Amino acid sequence: QQQVKQSPQSLIVQKGGISIINCAYENTAFDYFPWYQQFPGKGPALLIAIRPDVSEKKEGRFTISFNKSAKQFSLHIMDSQPGDSATYFCAASKETSGSRLTFGEGTQLTVNP
Amino acid sequence: DAGVIQSPRHEVTEMGQEVTLRCKPISGHDYLFWYRQTMMRGLELLIYFNNNVPIDDSGMPEDRFSAKMPNASFSTLKIQPSEPRDSAVYFCASRTGLSYNEQFFGPGTRLTVL
Repeated sequence: QQQVKQSPQSLIVQKGGISIINCAYENTAFDYFPWYQQFPGKGPALLIAIRPDVSEKKEGRFTISFNKSAKQFSLHIMDSQPGDSATYFCAASKETSGSRLTFGEGTQLTVNP
Repeated sequence: DAGVIQSPRHEVTEMGQEVTLRCKPISGHDYLFWYRQTMMRGLELLIYFNNNVPIDDSGMPEDRFSAKMPNASFSTLKIQPSEPRDSAVYFCASRTGLSYNEQFFGPGTRLTVL
């Protein structure tokens, strides 16, 4: 019940295109859904996060869409750039009872110039 | 702030040797996490501490792994004896105790066990 499933495992997009990564969770007690971005040789870093009281959050070219009834959330990268090439992890946690994040398996995004 | 500091950045050792990884969390952070990242298993949580106390060590693979946090500014992850399957990148992360706050990762230690 603690799992977070992420897809696709890898994604290749042309410059200017839209990148979409999907995640599904099982535990309805989760109340915090961050996305982390990891460049080669670096640690993951927070990109954007959402709470379940809203259905969408946008920060620049990055948008999280959240569907509470389906227990799914997704990351959309608009106007994808080669500099966006990285591994993206979705995650979830139950903030009211501890700070442990459950991570998805990761998606390796390649944006071709 | 310098962020989460890990040392060494790279470690190459031979099977059977003891390995100690070190982490200095961001000052003022109440939580410290140790993760292991591999291609096969992704990002796995090994153990985490709250106010220097281990809260959940269910991710520690076996008795060969141990972690300590003697004070708020230092933690170690020890593998003894090391095995080739322990080869991975080990990350330390920290965050405050406030809800919905970011978890900050260190640069990682790349461990190779020959």
